[in-house]
Amino acid sequence: NAGVMQNPRHLVRRRGQEARLRCSPMKGHSHVYWYRQLPEEGLKFMVYLQKENIIDESGMPKERFSAEFPKEGPSILRIQQVVRGDSAAYFCASSRDSTAYEQYFGPGTRLTVT
Amino acid sequence: DAKTTQPNSMESNEEEPVHLPCNHSTISGTDYIHWYRQLPSQGPEYVIHGLTSNVNNRMASLAIAEDRKSSTLILHRATLRDAAVYYCILRSTDSWGKLQFGAGTQVVVTP
Repeated sequence: NAGVMQNPRHLVRRRGQEARLRCSPMKGHSHVYWYRQLPEEGLKFMVYLQKENIIDESGMPKERFSAEFPKEGPSILRIQQVVRGDSAAYFCASSRDSTAYEQYFGPGTRLTVT
Repeated sequence: DAKTTQPNSMESNEEEPVHLPCNHSTISGTDYIHWYRQLPSQGPEYVIHGLTSNVNNRMASLAIAEDRKSSTLILHRATLRDAAVYYCILRSTDSWGKLQFGAGTQVVVTP
């Protein structure tokens, strides 16, 4: 049973470009969570999605960031017009349903903005 | 949201037990105590969780104080692979989705 998959593992973007981060949840999981870990800082919750629905986006920056989890395919975290401050590790997690105790994390995507 | 307080770091010798404390004096009745750990350059990994009673699993034990204002994660025999940052997280049934990570405790295991 494959775990949570994220790609790319490393992504380099120039300031002003767009970054697209993909997350494939574990098989049978329909809930996805995105977290960000800035250098030398802790993990911060960004957004919680169910298939085709955003459940909680209280941690998402108001501008340039968006997330989706379509009926088919992976969840996408999209960052428009990236800035140096967006450089971080972005982790995706999944769970079976809304009551599951465990969240299973992927290996992360390390975004570097030059 | 209720917060947790953990020591910044702890050291242990290999094959010795490790006791990781966590204070959560403002815990509410709907808060579960969860522990995750993050090995270097990896995503976090679930360790254990509990509500009121002590809990054991293959990875660790969780001892919860009777008043629930503190808890202790116990690694029975530390190995080099247990070197990681350990996070104590309160998770409310009112906002179950998100995990709110603090700074955690860096565990160093020496051979």
